[in-house]
Amino acid sequence: GGIITQTPKFLIGQEGQKLTLKCQQNFNHDTMYWYRQDSGKGLRLIYYSITENDLQKGDLSEGYDASREKKSSFSLTVTSAQKNEMAVFLCASSPGTGGPYEQYFGPGTRLTVL
Amino acid sequence: LAKTTQPPSMEAYEGQEVNVSCSHTNIATSEYIYWYRQVPHQGPQFIIQGYKDYVVNEVASLFISADRKLSTLSLPWVSLRDAAVYYCIVTPLGGSGNKLIFGTGTLLSVKP
Repeated sequence: GGIITQTPKFLIGQEGQKLTLKCQQNFNHDTMYWYRQDSGKGLRLIYYSITENDLQKGDLSEGYDASREKKSSFSLTVTSAQKNEMAVFLCASSPGTGGPYEQYFGPGTRLTVL
Repeated sequence: LAKTTQPPSMEAYEGQEVNVSCSHTNIATSEYIYWYRQVPHQGPQFIIQGYKDYVVNEVASLFISADRKLSTLSLPWVSLRDAAVYYCIVTPLGGSGNKLIFGTGTLLSVKP
């Protein structure tokens, strides 16, 4: 088995601040994802990466940057935090994109912007 | 991507079998059906996936209608730990990195 680790678990920022969230997986999976979940709602895809140094925009990429410098890690940056923003950011990984692969999710990073 | 429709909530007692339905009337031939669940303060967890007919694993079973427009997730003998939001997702292989589009799901409440 493997595990996905997200850091930090809780992130409090100020309006306009640049904030970085980190994700590590030890499944040796090729594909990694960042999703955003607002309270009581489903997940929305921000970015995904099918291999090291690859980045693909999802439906919600505006206001975010991502980085995949190693196969095992995928970082997400909120470029300018919005006041009163509250959401959970979930990282996931899967073996690839060619088959009906399941995605494995981390526990999430909870963001609060004051 | 096909749109899915699920009941917003369901209730069951411990020990009951629970069937959660999902309608996906516009499903394409390239699309697979996935079920995930999410408990509070955790990420979603994969339950089962299928393309047609009947699929079973150690956790659940999945029945897909012959025209693939309806699927039903069956959970045998639910316990309190099965209380969660259950998501039905339809997505094509490959393209867009196997993007999963999560709706609002079905909130399953389990009573002792």
